This record gives sequence, C-alpha cells and structure tokens, in this order.
Amino acid sequence: AQSVSQHNHHVILSEAASLELGCNYSYGGTVNLFWYVQYPGQHLQLLLKYFSGDPLVKGIKGFEAEFIKSKFSFNLRKPSVQWSDTAEYFCAVTPRSNFGNEKLTFGTGTRLTIIP
Amino acid sequence: KAGVTQTPRYLIKTRGQQVTLSCSPISGHRSVSWYQQTPGQGLQFLFEYFSETQRNKGNFPGRFSGRQFSNSRSEMNVSTLELGDSALYLCASSFQGTSSGNTIYFGEGSWLTVV
Repeated sequence: AQSVSQHNHHVILSEAASLELGCNYSYGGTVNLFWYVQYPGQHLQLLLKYFSGDPLVKGIKGFEAEFIKSKFSFNLRKPSVQWSDTAEYFCAVTPRSNFGNEKLTFGTGTRLTIIP
Repeated sequence: KAGVTQTPRYLIKTRGQQVTLSCSPISGHRSVSWYQQTPGQGLQFLFEYFSETQRNKGNFPGRFSGRQFSNSRSEMNVSTLELGDSALYLCASSFQGTSSGNTIYFGEGSWLTVV
C-alpha cells in the first residue's frame, strides 16, 4: 500500500518569502502525484499534478513541484508567497494503473500561514 | 460547467441514526469517489465507483456503504452513527479515474455532526 509523508505540519512565513513544502511517498510501483490546496472555508482545489514527462511541473498561482524519483519526493515550491496563499496544502499519490486503482492517498497536510 | 455538487452541506444527526449523502459529479465524469476528512485522521479514502460498480474500497467498517446510479450520481450511507463519524465527507469525480491520467475534482463536502 502507498503512503505519503508531509514533514512540515505548520509553516509560517512572511510575504515575499520563498516556500518549499516537503512531500515523500512510499510505493513500489509507478505513481501519479498531486498537490491540492484547501483555502479556509473552501473545497480542495488541484494546484498541480505529475503523471509523466518533465519532472518539473508548473501549476496555478505560481506554484511548481519537482518529482525526484530517486528520493521518492514531490516537493512544492513558490519563489515569493502572498498573504492569499494562507491555506492547507495536501500532497497525494495514486498508483498508475490501467485497472482503475483509484485510491488517492493523502499526506496529513501542511498548514501555511503567511504574515503580511 | 458545474462542479461536483454535494447535498446536504450541513447536517446534525443523533448517535444510532443513519445518514445518506448525495453527490452529483461533473457532467460526463464516470468515476465518483468518497473521502472522509477529520482533524485527527486527515483525508481518508472510503470507496470509489465507476459505471455503477464499486472498484475500490478503503478500510472503513461495513456501516459505511455507497452506490452509484446509471447517471453517475452517487450516494453514501452511514448506518448506526457513532460520535467518531463526525467529519467532512468529500465527494470527488473524474472522467475515467486518476490512475488513467484524469484529474480528480472535489466537491465542497457535507459536514456531518453526530451528537
């Protein structure tokens, strides 16, 4: 079974600071990787995803993530955060399969607080 | 294009009762999955349906069940409610499934409080 670890539970940054949130997964096969964001009072929204190809993927709102296969990592980055980035961020993984193994496994989430 | 719609948004039930939550996926999406979100356990997979068939099931007791209709709409049911079932229940849909390369979209969730 797959598992996901997000090492940072709560991160506090000032506006314009750079951000990197860690995500490591455990699974013996090929995976699809995702970052979701949950703004206060809102539903989960997809930030970005990696299925195959270029391991550096760009998402919405200036976020990007790099898949490093050898490290089983998919860290989320943003060069300059804004107050509006205050939210909870979830890393998720699902096995890549033609047989519809649709279980998304989420990390425990990282709460990001941006101080104006 | 409308998003994933869940009803009801908020509900309060008493221990021992049962509850049914409804989900309408994005038009054209055939895969519907359900997740439970709690502060203690985070986001946990309940089950996934595709073309009216349950394809995957998480590690939840048999009190949690679901079904999907021919129009892809889905319902989940929790019987004999316990206080620990209080949670945000999220429905998600995708065209064919995430593992097939499709993005999965989440609804706003149904907040269930068991008293």
